Order: sequence, then structure tokens, then C-alpha cells
Amino acid sequence: GAGVSQSPSNKVTEKGKDVELRCDPISGHTALYWYRQSLGQGLEFLIYFQGNSAPDKSGLPSDRFSAERTGGSVSTLTIQRTQQEDSAVYLCASSKLKIGTSYEQYFGPGTRLTVT
Amino acid sequence: AQSVTQPDIHITVSEGASLELRCNYSYGATPYLFWYVQSPGQGLQLLLKYFSGDTLVQGIKGFEAEFKRSQSSFNLRKPSVHWSDAAEYFCAVGARGSQGNLIFGKGTKLSVKP
Repeated sequence: GAGVSQSPSNKVTEKGKDVELRCDPISGHTALYWYRQSLGQGLEFLIYFQGNSAPDKSGLPSDRFSAERTGGSVSTLTIQRTQQEDSAVYLCASSKLKIGTSYEQYFGPGTRLTVT
Repeated sequence: AQSVTQPDIHITVSEGASLELRCNYSYGATPYLFWYVQSPGQGLQLLLKYFSGDTLVQGIKGFEAEFKRSQSSFNLRKPSVHWSDAAEYFCAVGARGSQGNLIFGKGTKLSVKP
């Protein structure tokens, strides 16, 4: 079946502009995650959605970052007033809830954001 | 605080040689453990995972990893490396009983010499 998809694959924006990054999770996956991968760094957790529960926003680096998930499926990560330090690859992942068992996250190809 | 350490930033091995990538974690209990691989311009692909049971787990592409509780380690191994294994490898931990986020190490870049 189809994997996690993200769009756009690349985005170049000017400092101060707003950007929206989109993630389509695997159908039937109830959990959705956003991570940021900066050059030379590992993956930094940003936000996590699980079903209809309130999202875990504990990883968002500033109030310029926000995300929503509509209809329990597609998610949009929005970065307002972009700064050069926001330049990174933004990865989305999804997982399927399996009560009492393990889970694993499936990753999309990422969106490479460059702020000039 | 929970953390994952991959001590080697970059490793170069010859094709056909054996490989071991190190991973140490700091966690309050035994976490779920994962190894992911990322090829250039690609997303992350799961190589293998440990949840419980046998501490030696087998994964895709001929990789295996061993969980050692006493050393808080989950090292990745492959007996004979192929040129196509050149990529970046990430170790990650997840909270047991939770579907929350994973905590990743900073990755080890593997180069393979012909």
C-alpha cells in the first residue's frame, strides 16, 4: 500500500515568510508525528497527534510553529515568520495503534526547507 | 533525561568487512529500541526493533542487533557489508507502553570502500 507522503519535497522561502508543509499518513494509522532533522543533528521531535486526543506539542521550538490534523488524517505543519535557523528537513511519520503490543513509525521522504 | 548516544559520527569499512555501529541509551526502564537507515535524499526505513524476548534481533538486509541491558546498549551488526549499505544509521528509543515520539541519536554515517 501507499506509504507516508509529504509535500512539497523542497521549499525555498525568504526570511519572514510563512510556510506550510503537508503530510499524508498511511491510511488507518491513528498516530502522526512531525520531526525536524537539521544538518549534522539527529531527529528532533516536534509534535505528535493521536486520534482525537489533544496533540503533544512539547517539542515545538517556538510559538512560530504550529500544526493541525484534519479529520484524523492529513496534517499541516505551519511555520510563521521563518528564520534561517528553521532551515532543515521536516519529516513526518505515522503509526498504527496496536493495543498491548509494540508499534513502529513509518516515515515519509521529508520536506527540505531552505530559508534565505 | 532520556537520551541516545551514537559515539561514532562517521565510519568507513571495506566492502565485505564486518560492521558494528554502537548505540547507548539513557532511560528509566527498558525502552523499545529501533535502528533506522536513511539513504541520501530518502526518509527513514526501519531496519529492526527490540521490544521483548530474545535479545538478539534480526532485521532486514542482513542486519542484526543485540540488546544488552547491563550496558544500556543496542549495537547494530552486519557480518559482511555491501556497497549499497552506505547510508546514515539512526538508533532510537521509545517509551514502553506508549505510542509517543521516539528519541533519536545523532546518527552514524557509513561509507563503504570498494
